[in-house]
Amino acid sequence: KAGVTQTPRYLIKTRGQQVTLSCSPISGHRSVSWYQQTPGQGLQFLFEYFSETQRNKGNFPGRFSGRQFSNSRSEMNVSTLELGDSALYLCASTLRLGGDLSSGANVLTFGAGSRLTVL
Amino acid sequence: GQQVMQIPQYQHVQEGEDFTTYCNSSTTLSNIQWYKQRPGGHPVFLIQLVKSGEVKKQKRLTFQFGEAKKNSSLHITATQTTDVGTYFCAGYSGTYKYIFGTGTRLKVLA
Repeated sequence: KAGVTQTPRYLIKTRGQQVTLSCSPISGHRSVSWYQQTPGQGLQFLFEYFSETQRNKGNFPGRFSGRQFSNSRSEMNVSTLELGDSALYLCASTLRLGGDLSSGANVLTFGAGSRLTVL
Repeated sequence: GQQVMQIPQYQHVQEGEDFTTYCNSSTTLSNIQWYKQRPGGHPVFLIQLVKSGEVKKQKRLTFQFGEAKKNSSLHITATQTTDVGTYFCAGYSGTYKYIFGTGTRLKVLA
């Protein structure tokens, strides 16, 4: 089956602009998590969505937002871009995060990421 | 908030040497997962540990979950050049998020 698809793969923006990133999870997966990866900070949790509901949000400013659609596809938006927002944005889908933690339903399958450069 | 630390941050080994990375959480974990990220790639799932004191093996890789479920380790026996990458642990303690460790970057010298 197809993997997790993220678009666009690369993008360059200037400070003050906004950006929208898209994530299509594996078919049947209902949970989508977003992470920001930078060399200095590693993988930082942004938010998690399940059935169009945000169930958790990381410690990021309000400029970072997201949503999930009824088909489980998810988008994240960053407004008023800053230089420090340059990063690889990764989304990961799971069948169902939480629940039986011994099952494979909690395995995160990552997309290839969207690499954002802010100039 | 919850933190997951990994040591070492970097490790260079000669091909054939062993390698170990350690993961420590500030809170008790419900389960822990390990991922590998090749240079230029994305994290790929390796294994999941759930039980206190659990040990799992995958060929040359041995994974352990501590008795207190606050630490874990990954040991690679006789490293190969294909083992190059960054290894992350990721801990789950509820609230629908995995917290990733800081990662250990492994370089294998042929």
